[in-house]
Amino acid sequence: AQTVTQSQPEMSVQEAETVTLSCTYDTSESNYYLFWYKQPPSRQMILVIRQEAYKQQNATENRFSVNFQKAAKSFSLKISDSQLGDTAMYFCAFMKRIGTNFGNEKLTFGTGTRLTIIP
Amino acid sequence: EPEVTQTPSHQVTQMGQEVILRCVPISNHLYFYWYRQILGQKVEFLVSFYNNEISEKSEIFDDQFSVERPDGSNFTLKIRSTKLEDSAMYFCASNPDRVGVRPQHFGDGTRLSIL
Repeated sequence: AQTVTQSQPEMSVQEAETVTLSCTYDTSESNYYLFWYKQPPSRQMILVIRQEAYKQQNATENRFSVNFQKAAKSFSLKISDSQLGDTAMYFCAFMKRIGTNFGNEKLTFGTGTRLTIIP
Repeated sequence: EPEVTQTPSHQVTQMGQEVILRCVPISNHLYFYWYRQILGQKVEFLVSFYNNEISEKSEIFDDQFSVERPDGSNFTLKIRSTKLEDSAMYFCASNPDRVGVRPQHFGDGTRLSIL
C-alpha cells in the first residue's frame, strides 16, 4: 500500500514571497503519478500540478513548480510570488499508473498543509 | 470546461435515516469515485466504479454504503442508516480513459451533517 506524508501541518508566508511545501511518499511501484491539490475555504478540490514519475523534468504551472526526487521519494511544491488567493489547504496525492492511461486507480492523499498568505 | 456536479451542496439528516448523494460525472468519463473528508482530516478513498460495477472499495465502505449509476448520467452514493461519524464532506470524482488529460476531476462536494 502507498502512503503519503506531509510533515508541515501549517505554514505561513508574506505575500509575494516564495514558499515550499514538503511531501514524501512510500511505494514499491515504479510507474505512478503525483499531484498537488488545493482546497480553499470553500472546500473544493482543485488540481494544482501533476508529475509523471517516468519524467525526469520537474513540472511547472505558472507560479507553481515541483521538485521531484524519485530516489528519495520526495515531491515538494514551490509557490513563487505568493498571492492572497493561495491561502488554502494543500494536499499531496499519489496515484498508481496502469499501462498507458490513468486507468481505474484511486488517489491516496497526505494529511495536508494549511498555507496562509499574510498581506 | 466540463465539470463534475454534485447535489445537494449541504445535506442535513437525522441519525438512522437513509441519505442519497448525487453526482453527475463528466459525460465521456468512464471511471467514477467517491471520497470522504471528515472535517479537518485528509481526503479518504471510499469506492471506485467502472463498467457498472465496483472496482475497489476501502474499509470505510461497509454494508451501509452502496453506489449505483441508475441512468447513465447520475452516479449516486447511498448511506442506508446514517451514523454521527458519517458527517463529512463527500466528493465525487471522475476519470477519462485516455492519456494526457487532467485526472480525477472533482465535484465541489456535498457536506453531510448527521444530527
